[in-house]
Amino acid sequence: QKEVEQDPGPLSVPEGAIVSLNCTYSNSAFQYFMWYRQYSRKGPELLMYTYSSGNKEDGRFTAQVDKSSKYISLFIRDSQPSDSATYLCAMSTTRSSASKIIFGSGTRLSIRP
Amino acid sequence: EAQVTQNPRYLITVTGKKLTVTCSQNMNHEYMSWYRQDPGLGLRQIYYSMNVEVTDKGDVPEGYKVSRKEKRNFPLILESPSPNQTSLYFCASSARDRGHEQYFGPGTRLTVT
Repeated sequence: QKEVEQDPGPLSVPEGAIVSLNCTYSNSAFQYFMWYRQYSRKGPELLMYTYSSGNKEDGRFTAQVDKSSKYISLFIRDSQPSDSATYLCAMSTTRSSASKIIFGSGTRLSIRP
Repeated sequence: EAQVTQNPRYLITVTGKKLTVTCSQNMNHEYMSWYRQDPGLGLRQIYYSMNVEVTDKGDVPEGYKVSRKEKRNFPLILESPSPNQTSLYFCASSARDRGHEQYFGPGTRLTVT
């Protein structure tokens, strides 16, 4: 079993829809939960991160962590064609660079105009 | 502009011909690493470096070498490339105490025939 599981998609939704992207994990020691966005032919870029449980909002994006279920989500409100990309979840135990980051395999998202 | 640069961006080579992919960052980051990204397998870490002259193996180090003689540079060396090293390669860096915030380069698409 992989430490981090992510549905690869592809996921196609109409513009303006609410998008929900999810990951599950098995290591209860994970404390930092990140979402990276990767456009085609580009490197991943950090979208947002959450420490421990709870929600974090940044504009149209909301990251949610449920440690009891070992489940994290990224919600995108009022989705735009420019949100079309692959979204990778990632996790680590501490914020130190000595902690290994485990990446999900990514979900490819397409927003239809 | 804070960035991680990689060269070349695209490379086609033949089995056994030594090659080097360069990586440079201008953020004075202590931590640097190399990943390969393959469909369905996500990002897998090849090697990482916690600081100058300090390197260590990641999850898939076989067939690769690295060096860290300067803080800003972290080249990836394939001494005798094989077709199973055909992949998309990313260099990444982060500050020592912000390992969850990885900055990725634009990627190098390598094809070994």
